[in-house]
Amino acid sequence: EIVLTQSPATLSLSPGERATLSCRASQSVSRQLAWYQQKPGQAPRLLIYDASSRATGIPARFSGSGSGTDFTLTISSLEPEDFAAYYCQQRSIWPITFGLGTRLEIK
Amino acid sequence: EVQLVESGGGLVQPGGSLRLSCAASGFTFTSHWMGWARQAPGKGLQWVANINQDGSDKNYVDSVKGRFTVSRDNARNSVDLQMNSLRAEDTAVYYCARSTYYAGTGTYYSVYWGQGTLVTVSS
Repeated sequence: EIVLTQSPATLSLSPGERATLSCRASQSVSRQLAWYQQKPGQAPRLLIYDASSRATGIPARFSGSGSGTDFTLTISSLEPEDFAAYYCQQRSIWPITFGLGTRLEIK
Repeated sequence: EVQLVESGGGLVQPGGSLRLSCAASGFTFTSHWMGWARQAPGKGLQWVANINQDGSDKNYVDSVKGRFTVSRDNARNSVDLQMNSLRAEDTAVYYCARSTYYAGTGTYYSVYWGQGTLVTVSS
């Protein structure tokens, strides 16, 4: 099973700041990696697929990069609605796995 | 509008059974893989099972193999998750999700999710 390690576990930032979230895979997943945002009581929302492609309707301030084992989600300038949990997910090899998440909180 | 509505959650004793159902609408159901994911209270996400368009291909995470069965009824646009021999660690919100094929890497990703149904396994 591919293990995804996300860091940091919690990130405290202010609106307007830049957020950089990391996801490292225990073996290569090529570019078959997605990022999801989840707010309390809601289902996950797909932000990024294929490591760097924005899903439909996702604002341009969200960007993804990386391939192989190291991936990054960047939020260029935080809006109040961006404070939430973020999960990476690999779809390269079954079982599909998620990282444990990064909680982005308001400083 | 794509809609996925889960039902069937509730409180069940350890060793008991429960059947979850997901009613799909707003898209051509027979064109998509469907899946179930879960999230234990305060924890992260875990993908549980997948089923292909005609139900001939199914995948399960190891922790539920032999206990859970995923099925679909293409006439009713629904996908079910039969859960047997339930354990306390199966307590979670269960989400139904639709997979969409992306040609870039030839990979399926889940854009559409239901709102989830809570399963609590406790005596």
